[in-house]
Amino acid sequence: KAGVTQTPRYLIKTRGQQVTLSCSPISGHRSVSWYQQTPGQGLQFLFEYFSETQRNKGNFPGRFSGRQFSNSRSEMNVSTLELGDSALYLCASSTNYNEQFFGPGTRLTVL
Amino acid sequence: GQQVMQIPQYQHVQEGEDFTTYCNSSTTLSNIQWYKQRPGGHPVFLIQLVKSGEVKKQKRLTFQFGEAKKNSSLHITATQTTDVGTYFCVAYGGATNKLIFGTGTLLAVQP
Repeated sequence: KAGVTQTPRYLIKTRGQQVTLSCSPISGHRSVSWYQQTPGQGLQFLFEYFSETQRNKGNFPGRFSGRQFSNSRSEMNVSTLELGDSALYLCASSTNYNEQFFGPGTRLTVL
Repeated sequence: GQQVMQIPQYQHVQEGEDFTTYCNSSTTLSNIQWYKQRPGGHPVFLIQLVKSGEVKKQKRLTFQFGEAKKNSSLHITATQTTDVGTYFCVAYGGATNKLIFGTGTLLAVQP
């Protein structure tokens, strides 16, 4: 079974731009969660999607949004990028309230 | 809002010493999962606990779920350098089964 894949793996943007990250879950998994990881704040939960609906949401501003498609693939969008958005963005998939399988992450650098 | 407090944030031990990290919630949890993230890697699932008072063992690792399902612990006996990493808990709790994330404990093991 293929693992969770994330694209792109690395990304460099400038302040004010927007970015879209993609996550393909393990086949059969309907839950996709997104996390932001920085050295200073650790791992922080962004949101979780299940069957195309946002089921859980963390404490991030509205610039961070996401969606899930009917094939369970998910995208995360960050608009009006700020320097502080530089981080490793991880997604994880699971069947439902079970073990989460993490992808390798997308390293975003905002200049 | 709901939180899971994880302590300690950081622990430095000599190889061979024991290590314990705790996750404490103010509300009842449906289940709790433990993950380990090695430096430079992505989180990897260790265990899921569901039942009140549940205890599970994996070699030198012992996981416990409290009787009230509000706290959990991970104990490592005789740490080894391969145990280095961040250990964190992820839980589902509350009426809406909201995803709750522990802040993580960074374990350093000195040979």
